[in-house]
Amino acid sequence: GQQVMQIPQYQHVQEGEDFTTYCNSSTTLSNIQWYKQRPGGHPVFLIQLVKSGEVKKQKRLTFQFGEAKKNSSLHITATQTTDVGTYFCAGTLGGATNKLIFGTGTLLAVQP
Amino acid sequence: DGGITQSPKYLFRKEGQNVTLSCEQNLNHDAMYWYRQDPGQGLRLIYYSQIVNDFQKGDIAEGYSVSREKKESFPLTVTSAQKNPTAFYLCASSNTYNSPLHFGNGTRLTVT
Repeated sequence: GQQVMQIPQYQHVQEGEDFTTYCNSSTTLSNIQWYKQRPGGHPVFLIQLVKSGEVKKQKRLTFQFGEAKKNSSLHITATQTTDVGTYFCAGTLGGATNKLIFGTGTLLAVQP
Repeated sequence: DGGITQSPKYLFRKEGQNVTLSCEQNLNHDAMYWYRQDPGQGLRLIYYSQIVNDFQKGDIAEGYSVSREKKESFPLTVTSAQKNPTAFYLCASSNTYNSPLHFGNGTRLTVT
């Protein structure tokens, strides 16, 4: 079936190090959304990317949407302890399906 | 303040009992969703509703039922037919179908 895979499943970094999570789809996506879920909390929407090759920045976070619209990445520069949580991508399948599929998530742990 | 309210935060039930989880939103959103999240897992879609008085099955609808009689309300009933009901249940809404989701705080259901 259609899946959106994220790697890595888990990443442990020292505070100040960079972090990247990758999202890959087997089919072309019409857009991709990114969410952050703090431990014990609920997912919170971060950003949506729509255009092929699009890059958006939010302070230390950089989001990219691949040229083929099948992959995306989230890069955090100089992690802080407040970045701890699980990052999910969610892709909308193109065409008549219009189905939103969540990725498996990447859990980020930041050691002070 | 606009938002989504899920209640209760924690719910305990005996096996064989039906239980209804509440979800109310005052964001004037057309679409509402129910997701299930198991420990260390992503989000799986149970049911969704694109508009009042209409709803569709998601990927794991068996053992669940919903209603959408009012725009602001989308209650989920976990029936005794659901084999593994213990999980974290998240309700979400969006302005239109599959536009960025706003999540409630979730209900943690434990069935023994």
